[in-house]
Amino acid sequence: AQSVTQPDIHITVSEGASLELRCNYSYGATPYLFWYVQSPGQGLQLLLKYFSGDTLVQGIKGFEAEFKRSQSSFNLRKPSVHWSDAAEYFCAVGARAAGNKLTFGGGTRVLVKP
Amino acid sequence: DAEITQSPRHKITETGRQVTLACHQTWNHNNMFWYRQDLGHGLRLIHYSYGVQDTNKGEVSDGYSVSRSNTEDLPLTLESAASSQTSVYFCASSESTGKDTQYFGPGTRLTVL
Repeated sequence: AQSVTQPDIHITVSEGASLELRCNYSYGATPYLFWYVQSPGQGLQLLLKYFSGDTLVQGIKGFEAEFKRSQSSFNLRKPSVHWSDAAEYFCAVGARAAGNKLTFGGGTRVLVKP
Repeated sequence: DAEITQSPRHKITETGRQVTLACHQTWNHNNMFWYRQDLGHGLRLIHYSYGVQDTNKGEVSDGYSVSRSNTEDLPLTLESAASSQTSVYFCASSESTGKDTQYFGPGTRLTVL
């Protein structure tokens, strides 16, 4: 069975500073990997996804993520955060063998200091 | 524009009552999913459907049921609400494959007293 771990429950970052959110997955074959963002009181919105090919994936809102098979990781990064990036971020993993289902990590809440 | 809606947005009910949460999508997607979101657990899959008349149990399906009579709707029923089912519930839909983006509704906050 697939699983996802987001080691950081909360991260506080200053506006303009860089941000990196960690995601580790467990799955035997090549996974489908996703990052979603949830603003307060809202549903989830897709930031980016990875299936194959170039391991550095660009997403919306200036985010990018890098797939590292050797480390079973798919970390999300942004070079310079804005106050509007304060939200909860979820990493999710899917797989062909799992049908169309996703398994989500526990989430990382990002606070942005002025 | 296509969208996915949930109703009600907030619901307070009493232990033992039957509750139905509605989910409606206009994407014409084959796949629909119900999740619950609880602190520290992220999103956990309750039930899902790959098409009309198809339903499947997810990770935390006990006490919940769904039915899919058309493409657009996947209502979630709590047969006899329990306090442990107090949560935020999200519906999502996707086109066909595991690579397709899941689009989420705005959520329903359910409180069981």
